Amino acid sequence: DGGITQSPKYLFRKEGQNVTLSCEQNLNHDAMYWYRQDPGQGLRLIYYSQIVNDFQKGDIAEGYSVSREKKESFPLTVTSAQKNPTAFYLCASSIFRGTNSPLHFGNGTRLTVT
Amino acid sequence: DQQVKQNSPSLSVQEGRISILNCDYTNSMFDYFLWYKKYPAEGPTFLISISSIKDKNEDGRFTVFLNKSAKHLSLHIVPSQPGDSAVYFCAASANAGGTSYGKLTFGQGTILTVHP
Repeated sequence: DGGITQSPKYLFRKEGQNVTLSCEQNLNHDAMYWYRQDPGQGLRLIYYSQIVNDFQKGDIAEGYSVSREKKESFPLTVTSAQKNPTAFYLCASSIFRGTNSPLHFGNGTRLTVT
Repeated sequence: DQQVKQNSPSLSVQEGRISILNCDYTNSMFDYFLWYKKYPAEGPTFLISISSIKDKNEDGRFTVFLNKSAKHLSLHIVPSQPGDSAVYFCAASANAGGTSYGKLTFGQGTILTVHP
């Protein structure tokens, strides 16, 4: 079955520590995205990548970093510079060849920083 | 600057009746609109979409209507079923020369509860 795998489902970290969230897809999609969801808010775009070795900042990139060394993988690092890291993080992918196509989402990682 | 707004945080309907979820947007460059359904602790699932060249798109029990002049779209679910109970997000994207496909702006979501 093709899909997007995010791991782990729950993650706990102490304040001041960097943490990396994993996202892998086997849909052969070109583009991958990271969104963040907070209670009562919509999803907000952190970073996105349209092609391997290239990525762009989204609306709330401060305190986050990403890499795209392989088409299948788009890990997100939440650094200690992120002021409010506790949130539900969603990874998504889509076909990107100049056509409208919906995003396919993973099941998310809930990060709690104390 | 909330470019996509869902002004109703929640909606409650009876099983078998129609559910109407609304969404307003401010960015006139948006040309592709989607609805997603989300259960707790899961990722959103794509439901239905519409291009700005259309004013209606139908898929089974789900119909999306787009009113470009009012910058408004709505999702109709007929008949509503208890399994439809979830959070519904509308989303929009702007094809800025073909570079923004997939870069979606989401509304805050509406919690739909369908009572048996």
